Amino acid sequence: AQKITQTQPGMFVQEKEAVTLDCTYDTSDPSYGLFWYKQPSSGEMIFLIYQGSYDQQNATEGRYSLNFQKARKSANLVISASQLGDSAMYFCAMREASYTGNQFYFGTGTSLTVIP
Amino acid sequence: DAGVIQSPRHEVTEMGQEVTLRCKPISGHNSLFWYRQTMMRGLELLIYFNNNVPIDDSGMPEDRFSAKMPNASFSTLKIQPSEPRDSAVYFCASRDPGGTEAFFGQGTRLTVV
Repeated sequence: AQKITQTQPGMFVQEKEAVTLDCTYDTSDPSYGLFWYKQPSSGEMIFLIYQGSYDQQNATEGRYSLNFQKARKSANLVISASQLGDSAMYFCAMREASYTGNQFYFGTGTSLTVIP
Repeated sequence: DAGVIQSPRHEVTEMGQEVTLRCKPISGHNSLFWYRQTMMRGLELLIYFNNNVPIDDSGMPEDRFSAKMPNASFSTLKIQPSEPRDSAVYFCASRDPGGTEAFFGQGTRLTVV
C-alpha cells in the first residue's frame, strides 16, 4: 500500500486566493511526522511545514497551515493568499519512528499553478 | 552552514560507464538519505544511513547501484555500469538527531546516453 497519497496531479488557483492540497497517509505506527515540501522549477526541495502525530493543534508557518485530521489520516496543506511565487510542485511526506529507522516517504506531488 | 552539498550538479555519461555521485551532509546530522526523482516514479528512497551505517537499502534498484558512507561528512552513490534508464535527478538529504525535517541538497541531474 502507498504510504502517502496525493490525488491531485495539478491544481490552479487565482492569485490572492487560498488553495488546499490534499494528502492522505497510511501507517500503523502511533508515532510519526508529516511534512510538506515545495519544489520550484529550479529543482531544489524546500521544507515548508511539519506536524507531529501527537500534536494537538494544527501546524502553521506564515501563509502555510496543515489541516491535520488524524482519524481520517489526512494532512492537507492550505496556502492562504496565493502568490505567483507559490507556483511549484508540492510534496507531502511522512516519517515513521519505526524500528527500521526514520525513512521519509514521499507522495507523487501536486503541481500548483497560480494564475495572475 | 552551507547546507547539504552534492556534486556534480550535472553529469552526462555514456551507457556502460561508472558514475559516482557525492554528498556532504550538514555537519552534526547523523541521518543521510539518497533519493532518485523521475517523472514516472516520483521521489524514491534508495538508501538510508544512520550514524554512517546503512539501515535500509531496500530501495536500491539492483546490484549496479551501491552506496557508502565512510565517515559522517561524506557519502557516495555509485552506478556501475550505468544505463539510460538510470537518468534522473538524484538527491541527497540529511537530518540531525533531534530535528524533524530532512534538508535536501540541490540534486545531481544524471543523463546516461
